[in-house]
Amino acid sequence: AQKITQTQPGMFVQEKEAVTLDCTYDTSDPSYGLFWYKQPSSGEMIFLIYQGSYDQQNATEGRYSLNFQKARKSANLVISASQLGDSAMYFCAMNEAQKLVFGQGTRLTINP
Amino acid sequence: DVKVTQSSRYLVKRTGEKVFLECVQDMDHENMFWYRQDPGLGLRLIYFSYDVKMKEKGDIPEGYSVSREKKERFSLILESASTNQTSMYLCASSSFGLRPQHFGDGTRLSIL
Repeated sequence: AQKITQTQPGMFVQEKEAVTLDCTYDTSDPSYGLFWYKQPSSGEMIFLIYQGSYDQQNATEGRYSLNFQKARKSANLVISASQLGDSAMYFCAMNEAQKLVFGQGTRLTINP
Repeated sequence: DVKVTQSSRYLVKRTGEKVFLECVQDMDHENMFWYRQDPGLGLRLIYFSYDVKMKEKGDIPEGYSVSREKKERFSLILESASTNQTSMYLCASSSFGLRPQHFGDGTRLSIL
């Protein structure tokens, strides 16, 4: 079975700094997808970025990029130039067939 | 943009009541999902559906049932609500394949 590990329960970062949120995964499937979601305190889950296992380049979406290291089975989320509005829970997830398996999440706090 | 709409943001019910949580998506997605989210336990999959009238049990189906009579609508039913079903409930949908799930805003359900 797939497994997702997020080792940072919480992180505190100064505004405008870059931040890296760690995610490692475990799977024996050759084809898989990795996803990052943001959950603000209001509760909704917001899809941020996707990386496919066969994608040659790291995914980017605006200030978000995914540092995909396949051999190390890691898929870290990088947020550049952090903003106060980035404060939220962040979840890494991987597909298991049509379902998603989520990590436990990292609570990111951006300090002014 | 994908829109997943959950019928209520906040809901308060009494023990023993039959509770319906409704979810509607507007992107003609094949897959729909119901999760619950509790502090320290992350997101746990209750039920999912690949198509109309099809349903599959997730990790924690006990005490719940679902209905999918139309492709755009997926209902979660608490047959006889209990206090341990007080939680945040999240609905999601996705198209078939390695595609991201898109979530509704969530329903905070309290069972008194």
